Amino acid sequence: EDKVVQSPLSLVVHEGDTVTLNCSYEVTNFRSLLWYKQEKKAPTFLFMLTSSGIEKKSGRLSSILDKKELFSILNITATQTGDSAVYLCAVGGGADGLTFGKGTHLIIQP
Amino acid sequence: KAGVTQTPRYLIKTRGQQVTLSCSPISGHRSVSWYQQTPGQGLQFLFEYFSETQRNKGNFPGRFSGRQFSNSRSEMNVSTLELGDSALYLCASSHGLAGGIGQFFGPGTRLTVL
Repeated sequence: EDKVVQSPLSLVVHEGDTVTLNCSYEVTNFRSLLWYKQEKKAPTFLFMLTSSGIEKKSGRLSSILDKKELFSILNITATQTGDSAVYLCAVGGGADGLTFGKGTHLIIQP
Repeated sequence: KAGVTQTPRYLIKTRGQQVTLSCSPISGHRSVSWYQQTPGQGLQFLFEYFSETQRNKGNFPGRFSGRQFSNSRSEMNVSTLELGDSALYLCASSHGLAGGIGQFFGPGTRLTVL
C-alpha cells in the first residue's frame, strides 16, 4: 500500500523564522512528488518534483527531492502570517492516483 | 482561463439517499480526479478519469462511482449515503494523468449526511 508521511504534523513559529517541512514516501512506480498549500479552501499547487537533487524555487519557498532516501523537504524562509496554512505532500505513480500525506499545519505568529 | 468548478457547493442529505456531484475541469484538461477530505483521514483518492475512462481507483466501496463525459466534465455519485460520507469532496483537473503533472483543485462540495 502506498504511504506518504509528513512531519511535523503541526508547527508554530514567529514571523521571520525559517521552517522546513518533511515528507517521506513509499510508493510503487514513483512518477512525481507534489506540494500543495491549503488554507480555508481547496489546495493550491506549489511544486512538482520528479528528479533528485534539483531544487525548485518560488519566492521564499523552495523544495527538493531525494529519490534515494525517498523524501522531500519544503523550505519557507522569512515566514509571514500569510504562510499560515496546511501544507500537503502528495506522491503520484501507483495505481491509486495521487496519495496524500496528512499535512503539516503551520501557524505563523506575528 | 476559468478554474475548476464544482456544483453544488453545499449539500445536505439524509442516510440512505443518493447524491450526484459535478465537476467541470479547466478548459483543455482531460484528467479529472476526485478526492474525499475529512479531518480524520485527510485527503483520500477516490478515482481518476482520463478521456472518459476510469484510469485509477482508490480504496472506496462500490457505492462511490463516477463517470466522465466527452467534454471532460465529470460526475461523482454516492448511493445509499452513510453518516461517514460527510466530507468535503474535491475534484482536480490536469492535462495528463494526475501523478505525472500538477493538479488544480476546485472549491469542493461540502456534503453533510444527517
